[in-house]
Amino acid sequence: GAGVSQTPSNKVTEKGKYVELRCDPISGHTALYWYRQSLGQGPEFLIYFQGTGAADDSGLPNDRFFAVRPEGSVSTLKIQRTERGDSAVYLCASSEGATGSPLHFGNGTRLTVT
Amino acid sequence: GDSVTQMEGPVTLSEEAFLTINCTYTATGYPSLFWYVQYPGEGLQLLLKATKADDKGSNKGFEATYRKETTSFHLEKGSVQVSDSAVYFCALSPYNAGNMLTFGGGTRLMVKP
Repeated sequence: GAGVSQTPSNKVTEKGKYVELRCDPISGHTALYWYRQSLGQGPEFLIYFQGTGAADDSGLPNDRFFAVRPEGSVSTLKIQRTERGDSAVYLCASSEGATGSPLHFGNGTRLTVT
Repeated sequence: GDSVTQMEGPVTLSEEAFLTINCTYTATGYPSLFWYVQYPGEGLQLLLKATKADDKGSNKGFEATYRKETTSFHLEKGSVQVSDSAVYFCALSPYNAGNMLTFGGGTRLMVKP
């Protein structure tokens, strides 16, 4: 079956612009996670949804970052007033439930802020 | 806070060599421990996990044992193949924190024929 799909695969934007990154999880997966991976580093947790609600957003770096999952399926990560330091690969992952189920990662969106 | 430290790469081995990638962690309580692998052009995927002390996770010939006394979760494989070339990430999640993972920096493995 289809895995986790992220679009676009690459996004180049200018400093100060607004961007949206989309994640389509595996059908039926109730838990959805966003991670950010900077060059040469491991992924860092950003936010986690259980259903439609954000269960934990403690990893969001500041209030320029926001994520939604209005119908409990597709999620959008939104970044306002982008900065060059936001350049990274943004990874989405989903799992069947909150605890114990393996995470399935997408291939990520590579964001470059010029 | 929680942290994971793993050996820096790249690690270059010949086919059929023995592999060890070291991983140590700092965490309160009793975290779950994971190894994820990223093959070229693919997304991260779970390789193996262990949820309590002395558990051994294993998959595809890879093994790792949860050692609480040394706070380690070293990855081993007895005989690597060219197809094992990938980036390997050690990770932990706090007890009852599901999949909110803290990752190490990753170790690139290159296996030569």
